[in-house]
Amino acid sequence: EAQVTQNPRYLITVTGKKLTVTCSQNMNHEYMSWYRQDPGLGLRQIYYSMNVEVTDKGDVPEGYKVSRKEKRNFPLILESPSPNQTSLYFCASSLAGGWIDTQYFGPGTRLTVL
Amino acid sequence: AQTVTQSQPEMSVQEAETVTLSCTYDTSESDYYLFWYKQPPSRQMILVIRQEAYKQQNATENRFSVNFQKAAKSFSLKISDSQLGDAAMYFCAYRSAMEYGNKLVFGAGTILRVKS
Repeated sequence: EAQVTQNPRYLITVTGKKLTVTCSQNMNHEYMSWYRQDPGLGLRQIYYSMNVEVTDKGDVPEGYKVSRKEKRNFPLILESPSPNQTSLYFCASSLAGGWIDTQYFGPGTRLTVL
Repeated sequence: AQTVTQSQPEMSVQEAETVTLSCTYDTSESDYYLFWYKQPPSRQMILVIRQEAYKQQNATENRFSVNFQKAAKSFSLKISDSQLGDAAMYFCAYRSAMEYGNKLVFGAGTILRVKS
């Protein structure tokens, strides 16, 4: 089954404790993105990647890191989480950047930083 | 930068009736794509319908259709014969044809409640 998976689905942590949210897709997609969803703001892009070792900032990259060492995986790293990073996070992937390429979203990760 | 505005935080509709969700956007570009996504309580993001800006014909997918007014920068979603399973948060989204990154710019969302 074609899908985007994220782990963990729920995470409660404390300020300053490094964490990684994993994202994996089994569709051989080139493009992958991370978004965060906040009430009243919709979803906003954090980082994106166009292929292995090619990543760039989205609209809200501060406090986040990403890497793309394999095509299927695109982990989101919070080196020193803060309470303002409490949010719902989505990973998304698409075959390429063309208009016809539907973005497939993962199931979301609910992160709470105390 | 492009922005997307959904002016209705919440809407309600009676089962089997029709409802229209509003979306306006701001852009200086002429080539772009517009989308409606559905987010049920499971939080999964589901693509409902999409529209290419260069197409004048409004997109339709079964009970879902859009009213795309390019000059007015308006992109509303009409749901006909509403069903209980349509209850969800609906997001309008914009994607530039010119930018890298496949970035979707989302509105704040509209919660749709369906009454039986």
